[in-house]
Amino acid sequence: SAVISQKPSRDICQRGTSLTIQCQVDSQVTMMFWYRQQPGQSLTLIATANQGSEATYESGFVIDKFPISRPNLTFSTLTVSNMSPEDSSIYLCSVEMAGLQETQYFGPGTRLLVL
Amino acid sequence: GDSVTQMEGPVTLSEEAFLTINCTYTATGYPSLFWYVQYPGEGLQLLLKATKADDKGSNKGFEATYRKETTSFHLEKGSVQVSDSAVYFCALSASSNDYKLSFGAGTTVTVRA
Repeated sequence: SAVISQKPSRDICQRGTSLTIQCQVDSQVTMMFWYRQQPGQSLTLIATANQGSEATYESGFVIDKFPISRPNLTFSTLTVSNMSPEDSSIYLCSVEMAGLQETQYFGPGTRLLVL
Repeated sequence: GDSVTQMEGPVTLSEEAFLTINCTYTATGYPSLFWYVQYPGEGLQLLLKATKADDKGSNKGFEATYRKETTSFHLEKGSVQVSDSAVYFCALSASSNDYKLSFGAGTTVTVRA
């Protein structure tokens, strides 16, 4: 597996502001993903972060609200834009390793509270 | 589309009790199946997985067998500990969905001393 870190680990933000979450992996990975876990709920895939090209978003998620960058094989960012209280969630990145297709490893998550 | 249905919780057990969490799936083709665990205040950890029918995944005393005939992947542990208190998620990955993970709703397990 890989060591995955996320920054920040938690934050409290005011509505209307934006927050950028970073995901760093200690080795090169083939795939990186961003998920949202709303309070007491399961995980929902937001998008696949593609290296060198635009992210692929799932139904219900758009680039203007959740812009994603992936400048290289070990790093990605997710921005939650123009936040509202409904964006209060845990945001998790996950990675898929070369040679371990179909198995995703998750970061520790970023706990976001929007007031 | 692909989906996972798992036993609703919460589940409360005494230490050393037997734990079963039921998980059934719907998928086109032959998915890979996973159990993830989320301890309080933490992210998800891969607990075990199975990639083909009749495979048994095991880790930390937990086991799950991929049953194609019943489309199930039930999680079991013979003797739970307080430290097993967590939320458990069943998930699948299938080629029909570009190998994206589909998660069940999660089952909260509390083990009392």
